[in-house]
Amino acid sequence: RKEVEQDPGPFNVPEGATVAFNCTYSNSASQSFFWYRQDCRKEPKLLMSVYSSGNEDGRFTAQLNRASQYISLLIRDSKLSDSATYLCVVTDSGGYQKVTFGTGTKLQVIP
Amino acid sequence: ETGVTQTPRHLVMGMTNKKSLKCEQHLGHNAMYWYKQSAKKPLELMFVYSLEERVENNSVPSRFSPECPNSSHLFLHLHTLQPEDSALYLCASSQFFDQPQHFGDGTRLSIL
Repeated sequence: RKEVEQDPGPFNVPEGATVAFNCTYSNSASQSFFWYRQDCRKEPKLLMSVYSSGNEDGRFTAQLNRASQYISLLIRDSKLSDSATYLCVVTDSGGYQKVTFGTGTKLQVIP
Repeated sequence: ETGVTQTPRHLVMGMTNKKSLKCEQHLGHNAMYWYKQSAKKPLELMFVYSLEERVENNSVPSRFSPECPNSSHLFLHLHTLQPEDSALYLCASSQFFDQPQHFGDGTRLSIL
């Protein structure tokens, strides 16, 4: 099993749609979780951190399910500008907290 | 955002050349990272430094040689690279390992 696994997509959704991505992780002791966004030929940028209680930032909602070892990202009312690759990131616990990026899920919002 | 600055933005070099990529972070972070991203491929972690000490070397060929002279600067020295080394090289920093990483714009490297 890969350490961090994402469906590569692409997810093609119409404007205004709601779309959700999941990301599974293999290390039950993982400590920190993030979603990043990467536009084509650009650097990844932090979208949001994922907290145990779940968190929301405008149209974006992130959830953590420790029992099933996955995090999710929900995007409501999709915009054309949301088209990008979404990367989940998991950090292990311990002295050196290894950071692992998922391979990313590509989202294409269609007019 | 100019928190993490990488130079040069683009680099074309022959297989026998020696060049260096530079990364500078102005965020007061303790950890710095080098990543490689080939076309249509995911990020590959290359090296991790914490307070100038290397803590991760992800089976990277010796033709890539990192250097971290202080907590604000990170270099990647390149020599006798191969065509398959053509990629986007990204530098990132974070306050601690469990904190979000901030990325530079990257250096797009082409090996002739």
